[in-house]
Amino acid sequence: AQSVTQLGSHVSVSEGALVLLRCNYSSSVPPYLFWYVQYPNQGLQLLLKYTTGATLVKGINGFEAEFKKSETSFHLTKPSAHMSDAAEYFCAVSEGTEAGFQNLVFGTGTRLLVSP
Amino acid sequence: DVKVTQSSRYLVKRTGEKVFLECVQDMDHENMFWYRQDPGLGLRLIYFSYDVKMKEKGDIPEGYSVSREKKERFSLILESASTNQTSMYLCASSSSEAGSTDTQYFGPGTRLTVL
Repeated sequence: AQSVTQLGSHVSVSEGALVLLRCNYSSSVPPYLFWYVQYPNQGLQLLLKYTTGATLVKGINGFEAEFKKSETSFHLTKPSAHMSDAAEYFCAVSEGTEAGFQNLVFGTGTRLLVSP
Repeated sequence: DVKVTQSSRYLVKRTGEKVFLECVQDMDHENMFWYRQDPGLGLRLIYFSYDVKMKEKGDIPEGYSVSREKKERFSLILESASTNQTSMYLCASSSSEAGSTDTQYFGPGTRLTVL
């Protein structure tokens, strides 16, 4: 079964600083990879995804992530943090079930704190 | 835009009550999912459905059941609510069409408290 590891349950940055949220997955086969964001008391919103092709993926709100197969990583970055980026971020990977369907396996999440 | 709606944002129930959580999507998606979200544990899959009247157990199905009588609606049922089912419940849907890339679209969540 797939697993997703997000290093750091909390990450704190200052406004304007680089944001780096780490994600590693266990698959030996290039999967589909996702980052979702959750603002307080809301559902999850898709930030970006990697399917095939270019390994650097750009998403909404200035975020991007790079798929590195050799490192089984899909880290999320943003050059300059904004106060509105404070939220919880989830990395996810697609996984096939025994019955032949596709589900997502989620990491435990990283809460991003942005200080003025 | 895909829209997934959940019947309640906040719900308070008593131990032993039967609880229904409803989820509706408007994008004609084949697949629907129920997760619970707890601090430090991320999202855990309870049940999913790939077609009307079809259901599959996820990672933590104990104490829950589901119903999918219509394509757009997926219900989560707590037969006899217990305090350890206090959680945030998230519904999601996705398409099975070729090229859909398994992207799931989420509702706003229902925060359930069982007293």
